[in-house]
Amino acid sequence: IAGITQAPTSQILAAGRRMTLRCTQDMRHNAMYWYRQDLGLGLRLIHYSNTAGTTGKGEVPDGYSVSRANTDDFPLTLASAVPSQTSVYFCASSEASGVADTQYFGPGTRLTVL
Amino acid sequence: GQNIDQPTEMTATEGAIVQINCTYQTSGFNGLFWYQQHAGEAPTFLSYNVLDGLEEKGRFSSFLSRSKGYSYLLLKELQMKDSASYLCASVDSNYQLIWGAGTKLIIKP
Repeated sequence: IAGITQAPTSQILAAGRRMTLRCTQDMRHNAMYWYRQDLGLGLRLIHYSNTAGTTGKGEVPDGYSVSRANTDDFPLTLASAVPSQTSVYFCASSEASGVADTQYFGPGTRLTVL
Repeated sequence: GQNIDQPTEMTATEGAIVQINCTYQTSGFNGLFWYQQHAGEAPTFLSYNVLDGLEEKGRFSSFLSRSKGYSYLLLKELQMKDSASYLCASVDSNYQLIWGAGTKLIIKP
């Protein structure tokens, strides 16, 4: 079934540990995004990639890094996790960038940093 | 600054009609999206408006007024499965989505 997968589904992590959230899409979409969703707040963009080999910073990039080595994969890394990074993380993709294109979301990763 | 406002929570009765409002202020405007998000799940696309007016899609319709910075989502013949959060997102001048906090819709029998 075409779509976006994320791993892990959930994770409890000790503060200071390094963690990579994985995201893979099989729709051959050019653009990919990482959001975090916190109670009472809208989805906030962490990083994005308009096409393979390029990345950009979103609204809340501090403490996170991304890479886009190929079209399908867009991992998000927390170099040294802190409790304020406790959140639900969604990866999304869209066919194009630079236009108002529909974004399709993965199932999310629920991350708890203690 | 950029701001999206929508009510935090609404309650409606099965079979009724409900209107969820969204007001936006963003740097540039390239349209407005509505997404549905069931608890514990991913957001899924409902509608996109870029021109003024009403777009109807089955039981769901979405309206946009660019001059007023205002949109609404209209849900008719409500069903229990419509219990979800509804997210409004404005597309800014860089084609990034600016998201509201979402409106939790509770449907009562």
